[in-house]
Amino acid sequence: EPEVTQTPSHQVTQMGQEVILRCVPISNHLYFYWYRQILGQKVEFLVSFYNNEISEKSEIFDDQFSVERPDGSNFTLKIRSTKLEDSAMYFCASSVDSASYNEQFFGPGTRLTVL
Amino acid sequence: KQEVTQIPAALSVPEGENLVLNCSFTDSAIYNLQWFRQDPGKGLTSLLLIQSSQREQTSGRLNASLDKSSGRSTLYIAASQPGDSATYLCAVRAANDYKLSFGAGTTVTVRA
Repeated sequence: EPEVTQTPSHQVTQMGQEVILRCVPISNHLYFYWYRQILGQKVEFLVSFYNNEISEKSEIFDDQFSVERPDGSNFTLKIRSTKLEDSAMYFCASSVDSASYNEQFFGPGTRLTVL
Repeated sequence: KQEVTQIPAALSVPEGENLVLNCSFTDSAIYNLQWFRQDPGKGLTSLLLIQSSQREQTSGRLNASLDKSSGRSTLYIAASQPGDSATYLCAVRAANDYKLSFGAGTTVTVRA
């Protein structure tokens, strides 16, 4: 069964460094999302992406964050200058389209640890 | 702003008992609602999606109901098994929105 994949599974970085989290959405899906879950807290929406544009973003998704679809298969989240509070599990998700009957399918996550 | 609440936060039952997990949301103008399962340190597995026009959805031992007007959904898991032990998350997508708003989850332990 097709699935969303994410790499790396765990990333450790120093505060102030740039990180890029990578995702391969399900191949026929057109909508892509990033969410994050700080340990012990709710899953929070960051951004949605369609047709090479951001379609919606949350207040968390400030100028330090960016997303890109560099080729036909990858979808990336970049954090320019990481902070301690960016430590979280980051989930990529995708959906066929935005219709109400289509689920969002999530990847296994990348655990980001900022030291 | 959509607020999603799940009660109880944790539940422990003996094997074979039916599970009832509750989810409530503050804004009834929803597009759909998804139930997910999350194992410790792992990703989210989609279990069921209910569209706003539907009253319930079934998959195997799982049945989810939706009462949009009262802002509630219930996930029923029949004849629970130890393998059902996990955290179950409810997520709501509002009308004219792309994002899912999540509850904090109910952590279920099924005792053998």
